[in-house]
Amino acid sequence: KQEVTQIPAALSVPEGENLVLNCSFTDSAIYNLQWFRQDPGKGLTSLLLIQSSQREQTSGRLNASLDKSSGRSTLYIAASQPGDSATYLCAVRHSGNTPLVFGKGTRLSVIA
Amino acid sequence: SQTIHQWPATLVQPVGSPLSLECTVEGTSNPNLYWYRQAAGRGLQLLFYSVGIGQISSEVPQNLSASRPQDRQFILSSKKLLLSDSGFYLCAWSFSLSGANVLTFGAGSRLTVL
Repeated sequence: KQEVTQIPAALSVPEGENLVLNCSFTDSAIYNLQWFRQDPGKGLTSLLLIQSSQREQTSGRLNASLDKSSGRSTLYIAASQPGDSATYLCAVRHSGNTPLVFGKGTRLSVIA
Repeated sequence: SQTIHQWPATLVQPVGSPLSLECTVEGTSNPNLYWYRQAAGRGLQLLFYSVGIGQISSEVPQNLSASRPQDRQFILSSKKLLLSDSGFYLCAWSFSLSGANVLTFGAGSRLTVL
């Protein structure tokens, strides 16, 4: 059974810092991996999706990498801003038609 | 473009009362549909998913049921709510089969059972 772990559970950084959020998964036979952002009391917003054949994806200040063989992904946030404060969730899909399995998320606070 | 609607946004119900949460998707056909629950301090738990009308897969045994009466409508129900049913319920959709399979979520429904 696929298990997804995110470390750290919470992170507080000063504004302007670059930071890395970690995600690991136990079964490396994944179809794709998706990073989400969730603001308190809100739904999830998709940030980046990496297909199993890809190594990384970039969107603005965000860069997600995937090392399938080691069962790891990282989300890199450059020049963090207070507006980046949210919970970031990682999720993996085993095949094209199976549901995503989520980690518990990393709660990020960026202090002005 | 596709949009997903979920309602009600907030619900306070007594123990033993029924529940109905509704989710609809616009702008696409034959989506995969999902219900997740997010309890306080816990991760997202998949409850049900559906790949077509009348096709429901249940991930965990529970007090809840799901139905898909139309292609773009997904309903989460309970006949008698328990205290443990409290949580944040999220509906989501994705394209079926191959493709990017990006999962898109609704705004969520917060259920408090008293």
